[in-house]
Parts: sequence; C-alpha cells; structure tokens
Amino acid sequence: DSGVTQTPKHLITATGQRVTLRCSPRSGDLSVYWYQQSLDQGLQFLIQYYNGEERAKGNILERFSAQQFPDLHSELNLSSLELGDSALYFCASSVGTSGGVMETQYFGPGTRLLVL
Amino acid sequence: EDQVTQSPEALRLQEGESSSLNCSYTVSGLRGLFWYRQDPGKGPEFLFTLYSAGEEKEKERLKATLTKKESFLHITAPKPEDSATYLCAARGLYGGSQGNLIFGKGTKLSVKP
Repeated sequence: DSGVTQTPKHLITATGQRVTLRCSPRSGDLSVYWYQQSLDQGLQFLIQYYNGEERAKGNILERFSAQQFPDLHSELNLSSLELGDSALYFCASSVGTSGGVMETQYFGPGTRLLVL
Repeated sequence: EDQVTQSPEALRLQEGESSSLNCSYTVSGLRGLFWYRQDPGKGPEFLFTLYSAGEEKEKERLKATLTKKESFLHITAPKPEDSATYLCAARGLYGGSQGNLIFGKGTKLSVKP
C-alpha cells in the first residue's frame, strides 16, 4: 500500500458526460500528479500540482482539468467524454518539488474509466 | 524529443532462469531513472531510482544498473511471484520531461513454475 488513495475504483459513464476523479496524497506529500494509462499509449503524464498550484502540464486535453485543494487532495475533472477517454487514471504523490531534488513518485491504485 | 524505450515487450522465463530487461532513454539532462513494477489492474509500485552512470541498486532477486544511454533490470533466479509488468521512467532537467516522468511501455514478465 503506497498511502495514496483514489476514488472511485471503477466508473462507467456515457459519451458526452462529465466525471470527477478524486485523489488523496500520502501524508506529508505536497505534490500530486495525474497520469492516464491506455493499452496503446502506456502511462502518459497529464498534470502536476504542488501545494495548491499548477506546476507542470503534460498531454492534458482542454476537456480535462484538475485542481488541488487546501487539504492537498486533488480532483481530475473529465468533461464531454469520448469513447477514447476510456483508460486507467492514476494519481501519484511526492514530497514536493524542489530544484535539483529527484523525488520518487508513489502511485495510487487507479480509477478505471469506461465510456460507453 | 525525450523518449524511453523498453525491450523486450514480453518475456517468458522458467522459474530459476535469470535474464535482463532493457530500458533505453533519450532525455535531456537526466535527473533520475526509475523502475516500477505493475501488477494487472493496480498502480505502479516503486522499485528503484538511479541517478548516475555506474550506479547499481539491489532488492531481493532484482538488480538495476545504469549507463549513459540505458538501464538494465537483472532478475536472478526468478519465481512465479515476480510475474508483472516492469516499467522504466526517466526524468530530465529540460524539455518535455522537465520535472516529470516519461514512461516506457513496459516489459511484461511471465515466470512459469
């Protein structure tokens, strides 16, 4: 158990809908990262938050957005869902972003999203 | 463009048959090479971090090594419980991987008793 929690574990929805995925980082971690994993693309970095502020963006679609709250939990919002958005979504956390420090990211169990 | 490539895509071993997994990387200013293990339907589990060429780390039957262009995950006398997908990831100082991880597609290892 990494200490990172994600809810829900599974989510089934229809095209055009909007869903929210939730992540709680390990105790003491200030950085939260979101990743998408599909069969053909592997793990793709979406976005990072550090202590409530957006720190880095990867291949995140405009239909997707995220935020990190004062209690450090994070939510990933996916809207206008398409069939191709079906994937595993992982959250990871680390202690914090600091110049020159190569931190380890610890992953949660993931949310499996199925768009029908 | 920052890139991480893993080979082979899949590897089948008999219990006790040692082998190595390869991870080739092209990253501007490598700031860490990470190995994770992922079981089906679960999140990646951290194994090792390597920072500089020549560095080695060991954990039970696993040993990770790093050169300037690639990393190897050596598995000695594997057991069926070592069956999983092994992911390699790199973090660079510049470019697309700045501060974040770029993952390879993984090597799916199956160990038969």
